[in-house]
Amino acid sequence: RKEVEQDPGPFNVPEGATVAFNCTYSNSASQSFFWYRQDCRKEPKLLMSVYSSGNEDGRFTAQLNRASQYISLLIRDSKLSDSATYLCVVNNENTGGFKTIFGAGTRLFVKA
Amino acid sequence: GAGVSQSPRYKVAKRGQDVALRCDPISGHVSLFWYQQALGQGPEFLTYFQNEAQLDKSGLPSDRFFAERPEGSVSTLKIQRTQQEDSAVYLCASSLGQFQETQYFGPGTRLLVL
Repeated sequence: RKEVEQDPGPFNVPEGATVAFNCTYSNSASQSFFWYRQDCRKEPKLLMSVYSSGNEDGRFTAQLNRASQYISLLIRDSKLSDSATYLCVVNNENTGGFKTIFGAGTRLFVKA
Repeated sequence: GAGVSQSPRYKVAKRGQDVALRCDPISGHVSLFWYQQALGQGPEFLTYFQNEAQLDKSGLPSDRFFAERPEGSVSTLKIQRTQQEDSAVYLCASSLGQFQETQYFGPGTRLLVL
């Protein structure tokens, strides 16, 4: 089992739709969580950090459920420019070392 | 301000050749990470530096891979005796403080081993 798992998609949605992505992680001791966005042939860029209390940035809402080891991202009112791959990221810091684990990514296509 | 830069942007190597990939992190950033990204996959962690100390190298796939950051700023990832399976994009990222903070990525080096 992979340490961070995401549905690879692709998700094909019309403009204006609401779309939700999920991610599960296996290490219950993981400390910090993020969603990154990666456009084709570009580097990943931070979309938002994820907290247990949930956080919202405009049309984007992220949520962490530590008990279920589950992270979500909700995109409302999708725009064409939201088309990208969304990467779930987990940081594990313990006596064994420091490791950042990326999911394989979920591809989103928003069509007019 | 200047972001993370990497050089070369593209590298073609013959199988068995040694390569060196350079990363210039954002000035003042303490933490530096290297990743390997294959086509259609997420970045795979290779190694982590805090200043000049390499605190985790558990992701390096073999002893042909070596990374250093001798003065706590610029880092080099070296791959010896390259193999075709080493073909990938190598990403470098830096963060201002310690391990848990937001990482800022460079554009990557695309390595093709023939």
